[in-house]
Amino acid sequence: AQSVTQLDSQVPVFEEAPVELRCNYSSSVSVYLFWYVQYPNQGLQLLLKYLSGSTLVKGINGFEAEFNKSQTSFHLRKPSVHISDTAEYFCAVSPPNTGFQKLVFGTGTRLLVSP
Amino acid sequence: GAGVSQSPSNKVTEKGKDVELRCDPISGHTALYWYRQSLGQGLEFLIYFQGNSAPDKSGLPSDRFSAERTGGSVSTLTIQRTQQEDSAVYLCASSLDFRGTEAFFGQGTRLTVV
Repeated sequence: AQSVTQLDSQVPVFEEAPVELRCNYSSSVSVYLFWYVQYPNQGLQLLLKYLSGSTLVKGINGFEAEFNKSQTSFHLRKPSVHISDTAEYFCAVSPPNTGFQKLVFGTGTRLLVSP
Repeated sequence: GAGVSQSPSNKVTEKGKDVELRCDPISGHTALYWYRQSLGQGLEFLIYFQGNSAPDKSGLPSDRFSAERTGGSVSTLTIQRTQQEDSAVYLCASSLDFRGTEAFFGQGTRLTVV
């Protein structure tokens, strides 16, 4: 079975500052890794995903994440955040080739960007 | 439609009453999923439909919860004899097929049981 830990429930940051949202996972098999974003009063939207290949994955809105197998981490980063990045961010994992329904989500990190 | 549509967007109900939540998936998507998002919790998988196959109900928390999908399209999640702990946002998602690694989510239905 897989599990996901998002250590920070909330991350406050000033506009134009860099940010890192942490995600660690536990799995006895190789996994696919995902970050989803949920803007206020909206559904989840895929930010980026790692299936295989390069461990540095670039997503939408200037976000990127790096898969580190030895540390079982998939931290999300952005070099300069905007007010509009204020949202809830969810990390998720699944075994390969098992379909979306097998995704295990973390509890989420709320990113609060202030002027 | 252009996206996954859920209705109602908000529902307040009295404890003990039954509620129905509706989901219209993206046209042509054969896979449909229901999740529950409680305050301070991650997303909890409830049920999954793939085409005409028997649904995966492994995530339903109790027999008060049920869901159906008519004609391979619209889905209804029914909660009978609602309890206060059922209060949550119920999210529906759809994907092209069961192999999809990405699903598209609706805006959710916020259910409040008073």
